[in-house]
Amino acid sequence: EAQVTQNPRYLITVTGKKLTVTCSQNMNHEYMSWYRQDPGLGLRQIYYSMNVEVTDKGDVPEGYKVSRKEKRNFPLILESPSPNQTSLYFCASSLFPPLPQHFGDGTRLSIL
Amino acid sequence: GQQVMQIPQYQHVQEGEDFTTYCNSSTTLSNIQWYKQRPGGHPVFLIQLVKSGEVKKQKRLTFQFGEAKKNSSLHITATQTTDVGTYFCAGPPNTGNQFYFGTGTSLTVIP
Repeated sequence: EAQVTQNPRYLITVTGKKLTVTCSQNMNHEYMSWYRQDPGLGLRQIYYSMNVEVTDKGDVPEGYKVSRKEKRNFPLILESPSPNQTSLYFCASSLFPPLPQHFGDGTRLSIL
Repeated sequence: GQQVMQIPQYQHVQEGEDFTTYCNSSTTLSNIQWYKQRPGGHPVFLIQLVKSGEVKKQKRLTFQFGEAKKNSSLHITATQTTDVGTYFCAGPPNTGNQFYFGTGTSLTVIP
């Protein structure tokens, strides 16, 4: 089954404790992306990747890092999380940018 | 930066009434895509429009892409409780590989 898998689904943590949210897709997609969803703001792109070792900033990259060492994986790293990063995060992928994206189930992060 | 706004932010309708959400981008989009997110779920792709002025229908849903490729609308005829969710427009700009989502319209259907 074609899917985008994110882990964990839920995480409560404290300020400053490094965390990683994993994302994996099994569709051999070139384009992968991270979004955060906040009420009234829709989905905002954090980072995206066109292919292995190629990543670019989206609209809200501050406080986040990503890597794309393998085509299927695109982890999101919060080196020093802060409460304003409490949000619902989605990973998504598509064959290439103009095409529609497939989304993971989301990760709800709470940073205290 | 680029902005994609949707109105209204919330809409409550009686079952059987029609519903429309409007999407406006500050810059020209390469294409417009619409997604639906059920409560507690993730966005799911509905449709893509590419051409200026394009209109597409999916059963009770009608999608339009504006002539200038900067606005779009989604119209649902005779809403049903299964239409409940948040509808997002989205698209890449004409240049670049970033992807922009609208602010979303949350639809509640009252039985």
